[in-house]
Amino acid sequence: EAGVAQSPRYKIIEKRQSVAFWCNPISGHATLYWYQQILGQGPKLLIQFQNNGVVDDSQLPKDRFSAERLKGVDSTLKIQPAKLEDSAVYLCASSLVVAEETQYFGPGTRLLVL
Amino acid sequence: QKEVEQNSGPLSVPEGAIASLNCTYSDRGSQSFFWYRQYSGKSPELIMSIYSNGDKEDGRFTAQLNKASQYVSLLIRDSQPSDSATYLCAVRNDYKLSFGAGTTVTVRA
Repeated sequence: EAGVAQSPRYKIIEKRQSVAFWCNPISGHATLYWYQQILGQGPKLLIQFQNNGVVDDSQLPKDRFSAERLKGVDSTLKIQPAKLEDSAVYLCASSLVVAEETQYFGPGTRLLVL
Repeated sequence: QKEVEQNSGPLSVPEGAIASLNCTYSDRGSQSFFWYRQYSGKSPELIMSIYSNGDKEDGRFTAQLNKASQYVSLLIRDSQPSDSATYLCAVRNDYKLSFGAGTTVTVRA
């Protein structure tokens, strides 16, 4: 069974530029999560989708971050414009359903904002 | 107050010893508790889950839960160099998973 795929793996941009990350969850997984992990901290949930609907986006900085999950499969997370403090690893995870206890994480995208 | 707090590391233990990791959480209504292992530069992977008070053992790992004290712990017995990683405590409330900052464990050969 293929795991969660993410791209790109690394991205370096300058502040005020925009960037987009892509995630393809495990086949058949209805729930998809985007986390932000700043160095030395645990992952922080940014947004959670159930199929193509948003379950929770309370911690998503909506003035600069946006995410979508068209057709309930792949998802894209965008930052526009980026700030220095957005430097982090962006992790995508998926699970069968919202109540599914096990979340499977992708390899992450490491973002550096200069 | 942070939702999930872990004992500050790093924790260095000799090979073969027991590593003890602690975690406290603030929401008394939390339902499920997890330990994830994260190797440097890698993504978290689930190693233990626990839902009711008491101990749960899986190989060299034992998770302990005390809901009255809002406390979760992880014991790693017979620690191996391959156990060197950051261990993240995660707590689930309804559909949301909250993570602690992690404790970095180094096993000395």
